[in-house]
Amino acid sequence: DQQVKQNSPSLSVQEGRISILNCDYTNSMFDYFLWYKKYPAEGPTFLISISSIKDKNEDGRFTVFLNKSAKHLSLHIVPSQPGDSAVYFCAAPAGGNQFYFGTGTSLTVIP
Amino acid sequence: DAGVIQSPRHEVTEMGQEVTLRCKPISGHDYLFWYRQTMMRGLELLIYFNNNVPIDDSGMPEDRFSAKMPNASFSTLKIQPSEPRDSAVYFCASSLAGNTIYFGEGSWLTVV
Repeated sequence: DQQVKQNSPSLSVQEGRISILNCDYTNSMFDYFLWYKKYPAEGPTFLISISSIKDKNEDGRFTVFLNKSAKHLSLHIVPSQPGDSAVYFCAAPAGGNQFYFGTGTSLTVIP
Repeated sequence: DAGVIQSPRHEVTEMGQEVTLRCKPISGHDYLFWYRQTMMRGLELLIYFNNNVPIDDSGMPEDRFSAKMPNASFSTLKIQPSEPRDSAVYFCASSLAGNTIYFGEGSWLTVV
């Protein structure tokens, strides 16, 4: 049973526009969330995180929003750039220093 | 600084053969994870170690899979015998005190 779900396997966005990647979770006890970015033939790399005590965390062009009542978080990228084309994974702590990962959303930014 | 180093990067093997994937974590990290990436399930945790001790292997799909960490700088994931359904990308990752996980570049396994 997936604890962290990314229901959109892919997303295409025009360069300069906003990209919104979504993630739903089932466990209200998760106390923070992570987003990872993965380029082809590379391992995932940490992108941004958010604590459950916040509803927003911003880092440059990347902002993560958390809606605890809906058990939903989203990653906004604005403006989107072709170099942002990658697979994005959301993750939540599973206890014992391990993480649940979603299935990923493949973002394509069209020049 | 060297990141997590995995070998081989690519492996093609015949069904029934033994496969050994290797990992060198980031120096000083005390957690090591083995993940498998598939289209259907995304990144699945197979097993993880803390200070070289296996903590949770509940994600290991079956007895054909085994993992060892003989010392702080080396781990192996072994599949014996391999099957076509084992074809996937296998990632090793490490972290310090359970903080941000750093992934290797992955080992692409194809079992024919």
